[in-house]
Amino acid sequence: QKEVEQNSGPLSVPEGAIASLNCTYSDRVSQSFFWYRQYSGKSPELIMSIYSNGDKEDGRFTAQLNKASQYVSLLIRDSQPSDSATYLCAVLWGDTGRRALTFGSGTRLQVQP
Amino acid sequence: KAGVTQTPRYLIKTRGQQVTLSCSPISGHRSVSWYQQTPGQGLQFLFEYFSETQRNKGNFPGRFSGRQFSNSRSEMNVSTLELGDSALYLCASSSQGSSYEQYFGPGTRLTVT
Repeated sequence: QKEVEQNSGPLSVPEGAIASLNCTYSDRVSQSFFWYRQYSGKSPELIMSIYSNGDKEDGRFTAQLNKASQYVSLLIRDSQPSDSATYLCAVLWGDTGRRALTFGSGTRLQVQP
Repeated sequence: KAGVTQTPRYLIKTRGQQVTLSCSPISGHRSVSWYQQTPGQGLQFLFEYFSETQRNKGNFPGRFSGRQFSNSRSEMNVSTLELGDSALYLCASSSQGSSYEQYFGPGTRLTVT
């Protein structure tokens, strides 16, 4: 059973702080990892993808991947109230042609003004 | 570039009926995946279509089916609706490059009474 685990939260941070979201996965073979943001009542929006060990930065977002420890994290710098949402971690399983994303249950982030 | 579109956005059906949902992917994207999202189970993979062929299937009963047309538009069908089928049904498209980034449509909110 391939699993993706996230702390459901809520994770509450003050405006301007760094929010740290974590995700662990069960299969060492996984190669592709994604973070989606989902506002209440809306569909998931892709915000970051990461494929190799280390950090990947995009604006205020940094994704970190450690395949040996089987975790991926998302850092949000200078958190804003508009960042308040549920953040979904997704892991790609399978071979080319039979791949599928498995999602974690999401971490709800609350940024306090 | 226009995003993924889904119709209808909201649907109310009675138990035992069937329903068809439609998805138009981003122009140029040939892969369409369908997901079911519920508060209890989160985001779960239903199936993926590529070049009019079902390429992968999640763990859902045979009442859930789909198809893809030559223009990459996709439909999913749920027959003999049950109360537990009430959910947000999401379609995601991908260019099928090595990145496998998936972009979601707004979803169809199905309520079964």
